[in-house]
Amino acid sequence: NAGVTQTPKFQVLKTGQSMTLQCAQDMNHEYMSWYRQDPGMGLRLIHYSVGAGITDQGEVPNGYNVSRSTTEDFPLRLLSAAPSQTSVYFCASSSTLPGLAGRGTGELFFGEGSRLTVL
Amino acid sequence: GNSVTQMEGPVTLSEEAFLTINCTYTATGYPSLFWYVQYPGEGLQLLLKATKADDKGSNKGFEATYRKETTSFHLEKGSVQVSDSAVYFCALIQGGKLIFGQGTELSVKP
Repeated sequence: NAGVTQTPKFQVLKTGQSMTLQCAQDMNHEYMSWYRQDPGMGLRLIHYSVGAGITDQGEVPNGYNVSRSTTEDFPLRLLSAAPSQTSVYFCASSSTLPGLAGRGTGELFFGEGSRLTVL
Repeated sequence: GNSVTQMEGPVTLSEEAFLTINCTYTATGYPSLFWYVQYPGEGLQLLLKATKADDKGSNKGFEATYRKETTSFHLEKGSVQVSDSAVYFCALIQGGKLIFGQGTELSVKP
């Protein structure tokens, strides 16, 4: 039962470097999303996707890029890392858009997280 | 906009103590409400939910009742265990997105 798989689990970057956090799910979920978790601020939505080829911005999208070329994969790219992007990142998926009338349950399935430190 | 506010942690209890974690929300209409739990080193997982006023969600001995009069969804458990030590997040749905509170850390001592 793989569920949602994130890699890497830990990463240290220098300011200005770029990198990609990988996320893959094997549940055939339409909806995928990226959150960042910071102390005292809970989880904040970065980007999300409701299906292959469709992405949209969340609450804190600046400095991040996403794409959704397949149903299974939803990578998050940091274009030029900054210390403010030091955080724990979570990928989450759901069968459909949370709260969608008659279909969305609001249950998200989360990966184990990726801890990123930017020096 | 819609938001969720939780009581600040950390909350430290002895085993078998009664637990309450407060959650209040601001929202247009009556959104579905959720409690998620994050055990150490893991991602979040759904603990319970309620989709309309006066609904009670329950799971693993935890309960929460959707109170529209007080816009609250407090999490309770009658007798906590060491294994309940985790961070608990209250959340609501707005416009197809889950909005999370800041999380409340619970530590249960033997």
